[in-house]
Amino acid sequence: GAVVSQHPSWVICKSGTSVKIECRSLDFQATTMFWYRQFPKQSLMLMATSNEGSKATYEQGVEKDKFLINHASLTLSTLTVTSAHPEDSSFYICSAREGGADGYTFGSGTRLTVV
Amino acid sequence: AQSVTQPDIHITVSEGASLELRCNYSYGATPYLFWYVQSPGQGLQLLLKYFSGDTLVQGIKGFEAEFKRSQSSFNLRKPSVHWSDAAEYFCAVGARGGGFKTIFGAGTRLFVKA
Repeated sequence: GAVVSQHPSWVICKSGTSVKIECRSLDFQATTMFWYRQFPKQSLMLMATSNEGSKATYEQGVEKDKFLINHASLTLSTLTVTSAHPEDSSFYICSAREGGADGYTFGSGTRLTVV
Repeated sequence: AQSVTQPDIHITVSEGASLELRCNYSYGATPYLFWYVQSPGQGLQLLLKYFSGDTLVQGIKGFEAEFKRSQSSFNLRKPSVHWSDAAEYFCAVGARGGGFKTIFGAGTRLFVKA
C-alpha cells in the first residue's frame, strides 16, 4: 500500500532557530499533501494544503510566514517552522493523496520541542 | 465546508464488552469518512474508511463502522474490546473534490478497565 515517510520523527531546537520537516510519498506521486498540527490531548488541526508546483493554501489563523510550505516535487513536501518559539512545540503530521485516488495516507508525525 | 463532531470526549468500557464510538458529520454531499486510532505519542493509524458502496465497513483489529446517511453518522463499533484498544480515536471527514481536505473530530479517548 501507499507509504508516507515523515522525517524527522522528533526534533529539539533552540528558540529562534528554524526547523524543516519532510514528508515523502515513497511509492506513489502525491499531487496534494496536507499538514496538520496537534497540541497535547487535542485533535488534529489542518494547517495548510500543499499542491505540487503551486503555493500552499493556508487555513485561517495559520501564519504563512511562520510555517513555510514547499511542494517542489510530486513526492516531497516540506514544512519549515521559522524562528521557532516554545509555543510552536507540537506534533506535526502530514498526509498525502495520490493523484486520482480516493485515499489519504498519513505520515507517522514529527514531535517538535522548542526550548 | 465539512465538519465533524465526536460527542464523547472519553469513554470507559470493561474488557470484553462491546464498544460504540459516535461520529456525526456535516457535509453537502456524501463525504469520505475515516476512523483513525492514535496511541500516546504515536502517529495515526487508519482503522477503516468509507468512500462508497456497502455502508457497513470492516476495518482492522476487529473494528467496523456503519455509514448512515439519514443520520449523518459514521459510528465505530467493536463487539469485544481488548485492553490494547485503549487509545484516542478520531473520526475524520474528507471532501470530495475542492482539494480533498480532511477535517478531524476532537477525538474520543477510550479507557479499558480490567
